[in-house]
Amino acid sequence: GAGVSQTPSNKVTEKGKYVELRCDPISGHTALYWYRQSLGQGPEFLIYFQGTGAADDSGLPNDRFFAVRPEGSVSTLKIQRTERGDSAVYLCASSLGRGPGLNEQFFGPGTRLTVL
Amino acid sequence: AQSVTQLDSQVPVFEEAPVELRCNYSSSVSVYLFWYVQYPNQGLQLLLKYLSGSTLVESINGFEAEFNKSQTSFHLRKPSVHISDTAEYFCAVSDPGNQFYFGTGTSLTVIP
Repeated sequence: GAGVSQTPSNKVTEKGKYVELRCDPISGHTALYWYRQSLGQGPEFLIYFQGTGAADDSGLPNDRFFAVRPEGSVSTLKIQRTERGDSAVYLCASSLGRGPGLNEQFFGPGTRLTVL
Repeated sequence: AQSVTQLDSQVPVFEEAPVELRCNYSSSVSVYLFWYVQYPNQGLQLLLKYLSGSTLVESINGFEAEFNKSQTSFHLRKPSVHISDTAEYFCAVSDPGNQFYFGTGTSLTVIP
């Protein structure tokens, strides 16, 4: 079946602009995660959804970052007033649920965000 | 909070030689452990995982990892590497709250 998809694959924007990054999880996966991966680093947790609600948003770096998942499927990561330091690959992952046996995460290809 | 340390950022190894990629974690609670692989220009893929039971886990392509609770380690090994194993390898730990913590990655380069 289809895996996790993310759009766009690349996004170039100017400092101060607003961007939206989209994630389509695997059908039936109730858990959805957003990560940020900077060059030479591992994925850094941003936010985790269980269904429609954000179960853990402790990784969001500041209030310029926000994510939604209104119908419990597609999620959008929103970044306001982008800064050059926001440049990174933003990864989305989904899993069947939480707990052992259910929390294997399937990753999308990522969106490479470049802020000029 | 949990953290993951991958001690080697780059590991070059000759084809058919053995390899070990090291991973140590710190946690005050029970955790689940994972190795993910990222091939060039591809997304992260699960290689193997430890949830419970046998401390030695294996992947379908010959990798294995052993959970050592006393040393808080989950090192990845393969007795004979292939060119196609060239990739970035990430160790990750998940706590019962489902949050994942990743290491900084180890770049494995297999030399012909």
